[in-house]
Amino acid sequence: EDQVTQSPEALRLQEGESSSLNCSYTVSGLRGLFWYRQDPGKGPEFLFTLYSAGEEKEKERLKATLTKKESFLHITAPKPEDSATYLCAVQGSGAGSYQLTFGKGTKLSVIP
Amino acid sequence: DVKVTQSSRYLVKRTGEKVFLECVQDMDHENMFWYRQDPGLGLRLIYFSYDVKMKEKGDIPEGYSVSREKKERFSLILESASTNQTSMYLCASRGDRHISRGYTFGSGTRLTVV
Repeated sequence: EDQVTQSPEALRLQEGESSSLNCSYTVSGLRGLFWYRQDPGKGPEFLFTLYSAGEEKEKERLKATLTKKESFLHITAPKPEDSATYLCAVQGSGAGSYQLTFGKGTKLSVIP
Repeated sequence: DVKVTQSSRYLVKRTGEKVFLECVQDMDHENMFWYRQDPGLGLRLIYFSYDVKMKEKGDIPEGYSVSREKKERFSLILESASTNQTSMYLCASRGDRHISRGYTFGSGTRLTVV
């Protein structure tokens, strides 16, 4: 059974204070690891897909990296508008392989 | 971009009512999913569908049913609403040929059962 654990559950940062969110996973044959951003009261929005260890993707102040056991979402010099819940999900190669397994998310608050 | 539309943003229903949540996607995706999201519990899969008239139970199907009569529409039905079904409901879709983006989600329906 695929599993995803995100840490910390919540993170408060001062504006400009860089940090990282962690996503640890166990999966049978990783086909993709996905990061989403979710604003309060809205559906998750796609950020990145990573496929293999060593891969990195960047978008504005966000950079996602992947190892064989975990992924990190690095946030550089965050701004208050980066406040959201960040979700990590994996797709394995097992039965029902179009399903994603989600973590519970990290709620990020960036204080001005 | 793919658009997934959920018919209602907010709903208030009474205990025992039959409730229909509608989801429509506009990009010919084969796969559609219904999740509920609760604080501390994350996203939990209720039902999913790989094709028209096809459905599969997810992790928490009790008290729910689904209908997929057309490829673009996936409906979630609460047969007899109860207060423990108060939640945020999220619909998602995914194409067999568009796996790189994972799911595309709708905006969610916040359901309150009183």
